[in-house]
Amino acid sequence: QVQLVESGGGVVQPGGSLRLSCAASGFSFSSYGMHWVRQSPGKGLEWVAFMRHDGINKDYADSVKGRFTISSDNSKNTVYLQMNSLRDDDTAVYYCAKNWARAGAPGFSDYWGQGTLVTVSS
Amino acid sequence: DIQMTQSPSSVTASVGDRVTISCRASQTLSSWLAWYQQLPGKAPKLLIYAASSLQSGVPSRFSGSGSGTDFTLTISSLQPEDFATYYCQQAHSFPFTFGPGTKVEIK
Repeated sequence: QVQLVESGGGVVQPGGSLRLSCAASGFSFSSYGMHWVRQSPGKGLEWVAFMRHDGINKDYADSVKGRFTISSDNSKNTVYLQMNSLRDDDTAVYYCAKNWARAGAPGFSDYWGQGTLVTVSS
Repeated sequence: DIQMTQSPSSVTASVGDRVTISCRASQTLSSWLAWYQQLPGKAPKLLIYAASSLQSGVPSRFSGSGSGTDFTLTISSLQPEDFATYYCQQAHSFPFTFGPGTKVEIK
């Protein structure tokens, strides 16, 4: 069965950096794109980033563009989110999610991890 | 960016009730719309994709309809485990955006 397990969250000061990891299992990781989605405490969902299965094409929300980078290591079946220049409003639970279509168009997220909490605070 | 709105923001209903949630996009999506359910403290779960396709394992009391800019999620007979927040999401163009959510509460 598909399993996604995020790690790497924690408390970081404004301006700091953090790298989140998402270990995937139960599907052919290199054949699927992956998303990151976040949720600030008590708020709604915000899509953050997507990387296509080829690992080359990537897209980002305007709020994180230039600060966050999505990447992957197919040998470890893991997708990462490198977060730099963190701000207070980046505080959220970060979820990784699997794209619905094998080697296909970016779109819906059919499996989600349990999330990892990032707190940006001095 | 495509803006997503949902109505109502919350609904109070009883077990067995029919519940309808609306989602509207600021631009046409064709059928690039999904519905997710989020239980408190849990990750979202995909219910409906491509506007009306039921995700595997999701009960048939959930259904989706619509295309273009107006979409609907219907729960035909509300069950105790359905009390949650529901989000629509457009996947037509980046950046993908979610609606603000609709909280379904127990009457």
